[in-house]
Amino acid sequence: QKEVEQNSGPLSVPEGAIASLNCTYSDRGSQSFFWYRQYSGKSPELIMFIYSNGDKEDGRFTAQLNKASQYVSLLIRDSQPSDSATYLCAGTYGGATNKLIFGTGTLLAVQP
Amino acid sequence: DTAVSQTPKYLVTQMGNDKSIKCEQNLGHDTMYWYKQDSKKFLKIMFSYNNKELIINETVPNRFSPKSPDKAHLNLHINSLELGDSAVYFCASSRRRDKETQYFGPGTRLLVL
Repeated sequence: QKEVEQNSGPLSVPEGAIASLNCTYSDRGSQSFFWYRQYSGKSPELIMFIYSNGDKEDGRFTAQLNKASQYVSLLIRDSQPSDSATYLCAGTYGGATNKLIFGTGTLLAVQP
Repeated sequence: DTAVSQTPKYLVTQMGNDKSIKCEQNLGHDTMYWYKQDSKKFLKIMFSYNNKELIINETVPNRFSPKSPDKAHLNLHINSLELGDSAVYFCASSRRRDKETQYFGPGTRLLVL
C-alpha cells in the first residue's frame, strides 16, 4: 500500500515565523514530490516540486527531500496570514504514469 | 482564459440518478486526470487519460465511467448515484504522462440526496 503521511494539524504559527510542514512516504519507488496549497473551497495549487535529495528554494518557500529517510518537508519563511491554508504533500508512483498519491494535508494557521 | 475548467461547479441530485461532469483544458497538455476529494479533504486519483488512452484506472465502482473524446476534454459519467458519491471531483492536466506537474480545475461539488 503506497502511502503519504502528514500531520493533519492545525499547525499554528505567529506571523513572521517559519512554518515547517512535514511528510513521510512509504514506497521507495516514489520519484517526485509536490507540495500543493489548498484554500478552503478552492482547488489545489502547486507551490513547489522536488525530485532530487537536498533543498530547493523558491522565494519564501524551501522544499527538502531526504530519500534515505523517505521524508519531504516544506518550510515557509516569514509566514503571512494569507499562507493560512491546507498544504498537501504528494508523491509520484509508477515510472510510466504520473500517478500522484496525496497525503491528507496539514492545516496551517498563521496568527496575525 | 481559464486553464482547466469544469462544468458544472455544483451538482445536487437524487440517489439513483445519472449525471455527467465535463472538463476541458486549453494548456495543450497530453494527460488529464479525475480526482475525488471526500469530506475529510482526502484527494484520491480515480482515472487518467493520455492522448485519449486510459492509463490509470483505480479501484473505482464501475458506475463511474470516464470518456476522453480528444486530449483537451475528459468527462466523467456516474450512473445510479449513491449517497457516498457526494464529494468534490477535481479534473487536472499535465503536459506529459510522467513526472509532470498537474494543474487542477476548480472542482465540481456533487451532493447526492
